[in-house]
Amino acid sequence: DTGVSQDPRHKITKRGQNVTFRCDPISEHNRLYWYRQTLGQGPEFLTYFQNEAQLEKSRLLSDRFSAERPKGSFSTLEIQRTEQGDSAMYLCASSLGQPFEKLFFGSGTQLSVL
Amino acid sequence: GNSVTQMEGPVTLSEEAFLTINCTYTATGYPSLFWYVQYPGEGLQLLLKATKADDKGSNKGFEATYRKETTSFHLEKGSVQVSDSAVYFCASGVNRDDKIIFGKGTRLHILP
Repeated sequence: DTGVSQDPRHKITKRGQNVTFRCDPISEHNRLYWYRQTLGQGPEFLTYFQNEAQLEKSRLLSDRFSAERPKGSFSTLEIQRTEQGDSAMYLCASSLGQPFEKLFFGSGTQLSVL
Repeated sequence: GNSVTQMEGPVTLSEEAFLTINCTYTATGYPSLFWYVQYPGEGLQLLLKATKADDKGSNKGFEATYRKETTSFHLEKGSVQVSDSAVYFCASGVNRDDKIIFGKGTRLHILP
């Protein structure tokens, strides 16, 4: 069990650039979640997948954000035309089976938009 | 909607003190309730959970009881250790929404 891995660990970009993050869940996990966390706050739900289907997107996710999970394995989160307000830790989590089974979190990708 | 409110930190205690971190929830259905913990330099991990009223979740000496009448899920530990220093997040999930919503977190410092 290698756990949930996220890449990159840190990303620094200039405002207006596009960025893409990758998440590799635990291999047999069918559910995959993206959260965003800012300093001093709890994780905020962004979106989640069951296998390759994206089942819900938060209102927080503007049309600049898009997430995919081709073939129900790894997932990517893309942010287009980044803004300074997008600076945050982006967390990925996966779980197996029924809703509210234990979430396994990755270490996150820290995004800084200059 | 589904939300949780937990006490603000930081909370600073001496080793072997009794710990309570308050958490209350609002939900349109019957949520499952969780406590997640984030140790320094590590990712979030599940500490304990309860799925229905009057259930008690427990792990590593921590306990929390699902109280429907007070919509609460307070985290307690009888004797804290320095190694318990971390950020604790209360969270809830309602089946209809199929996602877990987190509180803002409470930072706990335990002094030796």
